[in-house]
Amino acid sequence: KNEVEQSPQNLTAQEGEFITINCSYSVGISALHWLQQHPGGGIVSLFMLSSGKKKHGRLIATINIQEKHSSLHITASHPRDSAVYICAASGAGSYQLTFGKGTKLSVIP
Amino acid sequence: DSGVTQTPKHLITATGQRVTLRCSPRSGDLSVYWYQQSLDQGLQFLIQYYNGEERAKGNILERFSAQQFPDLHSELNLSSLELGDSALYFCASSVAGDSYGYTFGSGTRLTVV
Repeated sequence: KNEVEQSPQNLTAQEGEFITINCSYSVGISALHWLQQHPGGGIVSLFMLSSGKKKHGRLIATINIQEKHSSLHITASHPRDSAVYICAASGAGSYQLTFGKGTKLSVIP
Repeated sequence: DSGVTQTPKHLITATGQRVTLRCSPRSGDLSVYWYQQSLDQGLQFLIQYYNGEERAKGNILERFSAQQFPDLHSELNLSSLELGDSALYFCASSVAGDSYGYTFGSGTRLTVV
């Protein structure tokens, strides 16, 4: 069983919709990362958080340490948001990332 | 441009061969991480170097090795290649450990035929 679980695996939304992607992890972590991978393959780091909430433009990431759960929200979604969103955890005392399997988001005009 | 440079972008080679992938970290970053992304396994951590020294090892095969040079660039060497080694190989860098976030390169797509 993967230590980092994401849901849903696939998500299709209409332009303008509010989107939520969820991530659960089973071990203690030092930080939770949200990554974006576009069809070309490149990976962009969106957020790194260890508590609370972070916001960047239309993207919001939250984490609940007690519940071992994080969410990525996209407000006013746009077709250019179409990508695979990957949740990754860096374990306490560990330098390596453990990745979820990703959520493929398609935003339709 | 993320600041992390990976070369080559694409590589096609035959089974049994050896290849070297190169990564130049973002200016000022001391840590370099290598990751493999395959269709069946997803993204997996391979190895980390910090300022020239190996810091952590993940799911890296014995046929694979890496090093970080004094100028902080890193190379990942893959030998005795098998069809299953076909994957995207990403390099990422950070200032120090994981507390500082990561910057990813654009990856090297390796195809073994």
